[in-house]
Amino acid sequence: DGGITQSPKYLFRKEGQNVTLSCEQNLNHDAMYWYRQDPGQGLRLIYYSQIVNDFQKGDIAEGYSVSREKKESFPLTVTSAQKNPTAFYLCASTRDLFKNIQYFGAGTRLSVL
Amino acid sequence: SQELEQSPQSLIVQEGKNLTINCTSSKTLYGLYWYKQKYGEGLIFLMMLQKGGEEKSHEKITAKLDEKKQQSSLHITASQPSHAGIYLCGAAQSSNTGKLIFGQGTTLQVKP
Repeated sequence: DGGITQSPKYLFRKEGQNVTLSCEQNLNHDAMYWYRQDPGQGLRLIYYSQIVNDFQKGDIAEGYSVSREKKESFPLTVTSAQKNPTAFYLCASTRDLFKNIQYFGAGTRLSVL
Repeated sequence: SQELEQSPQSLIVQEGKNLTINCTSSKTLYGLYWYKQKYGEGLIFLMMLQKGGEEKSHEKITAKLDEKKQQSSLHITASQPSHAGIYLCGAAQSSNTGKLIFGQGTTLQVKP
């Protein structure tokens, strides 16, 4: 089945630690996105990539980093510089940037120990 | 910058009742998207509207985009417990940027 796979489903971070969230898609989509969702709030864009080896900052990129070495993979690293990382993280992808119907993974919930 | 405001923030309805969720933009919408989310899960795409006055339906859910393209409504007819969840509207910030912004979501509970 085609889709977007995020792993792990739950992740815990210790102080000063970097953690990496995985996002893999087999939909052959060019564009991929990372969002952060906090309780009672909508999604906020962290980073996005429209093509392999290229990515742009979204609205809340500070404390995060990404890479896009392969079309199907777009990992997100939450660095120690992100002081409030506890949130639900969602990855999405789209085939058509004009219509831009984004399809989402099941999410990763990150908590701080 | 463009903002999306959803109302109400939460809604509790009796099974079988109709309901409407609204999404209002501070600027003209280039595309309006409705998604549904179960708590702790990803978003499921429902519908996309692009043209002023456009209306789309899927099963018992109807979405409309007003003529001025600054407000959309999502209407559920004869609600069922399966309709419960969080409904989010999203919008393209401009044509062909590949970026969406989202409203804060409306939480729907349907009482059997």
